[in-house]
Amino acid sequence: QKEVEQNSGPLSVPEGAIASLNCTYSDRGSQSFFWYRQYSGKSPELIMFIYSNGDKEDGRFTAQLNKASQYVSLLIRDSQPSDSATYLCAVTHNNQAGTALIFGKGTTLSVSS
Amino acid sequence: GAGVSQSPSNKVTEKGKDVELRCDPISGHTALYWYRQSLGQGLEFLIYFQGNSAPDKSGLPSDRFSAERTGGSVSTLTIQRTQQEDSAVYLCASSPPPAGYYGYTFGSGTRLTVV
Repeated sequence: QKEVEQNSGPLSVPEGAIASLNCTYSDRGSQSFFWYRQYSGKSPELIMFIYSNGDKEDGRFTAQLNKASQYVSLLIRDSQPSDSATYLCAVTHNNQAGTALIFGKGTTLSVSS
Repeated sequence: GAGVSQSPSNKVTEKGKDVELRCDPISGHTALYWYRQSLGQGLEFLIYFQGNSAPDKSGLPSDRFSAERTGGSVSTLTIQRTQQEDSAVYLCASSPPPAGYYGYTFGSGTRLTVV
């Protein structure tokens, strides 16, 4: 069973701080890695993806990937109350039928003003 | 369309009835996926369709669940003889080729309540 593990939280940070979200995965064949944000009562929306080891920055968000350690992280700089949501880590899984994403259960982030 | 469209947005049904949930993916997206999310839980994979290949049905929880995709576009998820444990938000997503490489775009979901 291929798994994606995340700390469920809640992770609480003050406004302006850095939020660090972590994820580990079991499938060494995974090639693409994603972070989705899900507000309560809404569907997930893609905020970052990363394919290569190292860091990828997009505005206040930085995704980090370490394939040797099977570890993905998301850093949110200058956290805002509007960042309060559940963050889902997802990795690709290939089988005979094709490619699908396996999701973690998500980490709830709360940013206090 | 501009996004993934799901209908209905909400469905309340009596236990034992059959329901059909519809998903219209983004034009040009060859892969289509169904997930469900129970209250406070993560995303549970159900089934996916990729082009003209046989679908991956490995996530369907029982033989009461089935899905089809007509003409490589619209998909219908059918739940027969609904049970209370089927209550959840059913999410559809689609992906351009190569499937999954760029992630998915999700629809707004169908909230199913079985009473």
